[in-house]
Amino acid sequence: GAGVSQSPRYKVAKRGQDVALRCDPISGHVSLFWYQQALGQGPEFLTYFQNEAQLDKSGLPSDRFFAERPEGSVSTLKIQRTQQEDSAVYLCASSGNRGPTDTQYFGPGTRLTVL
Amino acid sequence: SQKIEQNSEALNIQEGKTATLTCNYTNYSPAYLQWYRQDPGRGPVFLLLIRENEKEKRKERLKVTFDTTLKQSLFHITASQPADSATYLCALDEGSGGYQKVTFGTGTKLQVIP
Repeated sequence: GAGVSQSPRYKVAKRGQDVALRCDPISGHVSLFWYQQALGQGPEFLTYFQNEAQLDKSGLPSDRFFAERPEGSVSTLKIQRTQQEDSAVYLCASSGNRGPTDTQYFGPGTRLTVL
Repeated sequence: SQKIEQNSEALNIQEGKTATLTCNYTNYSPAYLQWYRQDPGRGPVFLLLIRENEKEKRKERLKVTFDTTLKQSLFHITASQPADSATYLCALDEGSGGYQKVTFGTGTKLQVIP
């Protein structure tokens, strides 16, 4: 497909479970971003990759959150020992390499509900 | 502390009128500001980017202004249509330099009534 895809679209986890969320960026896009969007709020930056290098993880809320992009394409956001406050939509975005004003293309998000 | 404010209440307007959405910010000096559209169950879609040295930008029925003195951006949709109903987010550059690190506002929900 031409756009950013994410899977699963919906995930329900029991508190304490680990989850893994997948992002397939647009082919050839160098930059990849993860965001967390709580209900009624704007997306909040979590982490940024340039190819396989994680250059910024300042937005990850705790050490239970871990992201990787081992081959510079697909990325996985992992949340260990999920808590209720982790319930949110997790958005992935990718962009090319034309600099800081390059357009970010967002996926549809994964809605995570922690019971 | 840094803050971005958008109208928290929904904006209802009649079809054909101009919708004006506001984004105010404090304690930022963004090099650029962006506006996105978000529909329910979907990710944001980029609409317009305006740089700090630009006063106004237009794209079809959309117009964005950026006043760095007032620390405000206005987003206008002229001749609004029911299909314009969505949440509109402004996003400010955080000055990371090499990549696009932005902070989003909470968004304003626009409802265009036929």
